[in-house]
Formats: sequence, C-alpha cells, structure tokens
Amino acid sequence: EIVLTQSPGTLSLSPGERATLSCRASQSVTSNNLAWYQQKPGQAPRLLINGAFTRARGIPDRFSGRGSGTDFTLTISRLESEDFAVYYCQQYGDSPLTFGQGTKVEFK
Amino acid sequence: VQMVESGGALVEPGGSLRLSCAASGFTFVDAWMSWVRQSPGKGLEWVGRMKSKRSGGTIEYAAPVKGRFTISRDDSKNTLYLQMNSLKTEDTAIYYCTWHETVNLYFDHWGQGGLVTVSA
Repeated sequence: EIVLTQSPGTLSLSPGERATLSCRASQSVTSNNLAWYQQKPGQAPRLLINGAFTRARGIPDRFSGRGSGTDFTLTISRLESEDFAVYYCQQYGDSPLTFGQGTKVEFK
Repeated sequence: VQMVESGGALVEPGGSLRLSCAASGFTFVDAWMSWVRQSPGKGLEWVGRMKSKRSGGTIEYAAPVKGRFTISRDDSKNTLYLQMNSLKTEDTAIYYCTWHETVNLYFDHWGQGGLVTVSA
C-alpha cells in the first residue's frame, strides 16, 4: 500500500498569500496518478487536480499542481477567503487507492 | 450530476446495514463507482469500487472491510448499494458515494454522504 504523507499539518496564512502544500509518497506513484481535493466543513470533498497537474473543470487557475515520482505539491497562488479549507492528496496508480491525512489551510 | 445516499443509521456492533446511492445526470449503466468513508474528525478512506457491467463488473475492496462489506448495483434503478455486515465501532463514518467519470480512479463526483454510527 502506498502511504501518502502531507505536510504541513496546518498552514496559517492570510488572504492574498501563497500556499504551498506537500504530498510525499512512500513509493513512486504510477504514471503520476495523483489527485488533490478540497474539503470545507460539512461538505463532501471536491476534486481540484488530477494527473498531478491537470485542473478539474471549473477550478480557478490560482490552483496548480506539480511533481512526479514520490514528491508532489499543490500551490494556491493567492489565497482567497473561500480557499480556507482542508486539502487531501490521493494516489490512484495502485490498489488500494489511498489518501494523505490532509493539510488544513486556516486564517492567520 | 447528482448522487443521493440513504440508509444511514445507528446500529449496534455486530449488526448490519445497507446504504443506497441513487444516481442521476449521467449514464449510470456505464459508470465506475466507489464508496469512500470519513470517520468523525478524520481523513478519507477508500472502501471499495465496482466497475460497470460492460467493463466486467469487477469489485475491489479495501482490506479493513473485505469479507464484511459488499458492493452491488441495480442499473435499472440507477442505484449503487453498500451492504455492511459484522459492523464494528471503527466503521463509524460518513459514507460517500462517488463516480469515476473516466477509467482513472480519482473521484470526480461525490454524493453528500450518509452517516453510519456503530455504537452500543
């Protein structure tokens, strides 16, 4: 099983700042099959990124993904108020499908 | 696209429960579907996946639920099911029905979730 470790656990930032979230895999993610999700309290997660860097439909371009192999990053270029949430990475290159434990982006 | 889970409830350890997921807005008969759960205040955990019958209808389960949970579907009703037997307290979670829009197994679309509480 591929274990995904996200860091930091919590990121305290202000609107307009840049957020950089990390996701590290215990082994190489097949074909860079890595996705990112955003979850707000009381809501289901929402797909942001698939294939490590492809934005899902309707996702603003301030969200970007990069990385390969075992190291992946989600960047939010300029935080807006609606971006404060928990973010999860997920690998879908191997079974079982696994998620990271999440990074919370909170108001500073 | 909409998926609506139902059937969540409070059940005693060792008990059984069946969740339903009514889907609309897409061609369910061709859909690959998964269940994902989230324990209170915790992260996300994939439960299992069922391919469309056209793709073989293959079902795969996560290790913690294998042998206790069963995924099935009724394409005539556009409905996915999760039969949960021998429930444990650690199965307490919100269970989300999800649709994989392509054969890539990321979760494009999510239902609102159904709460299952296992407690004496």
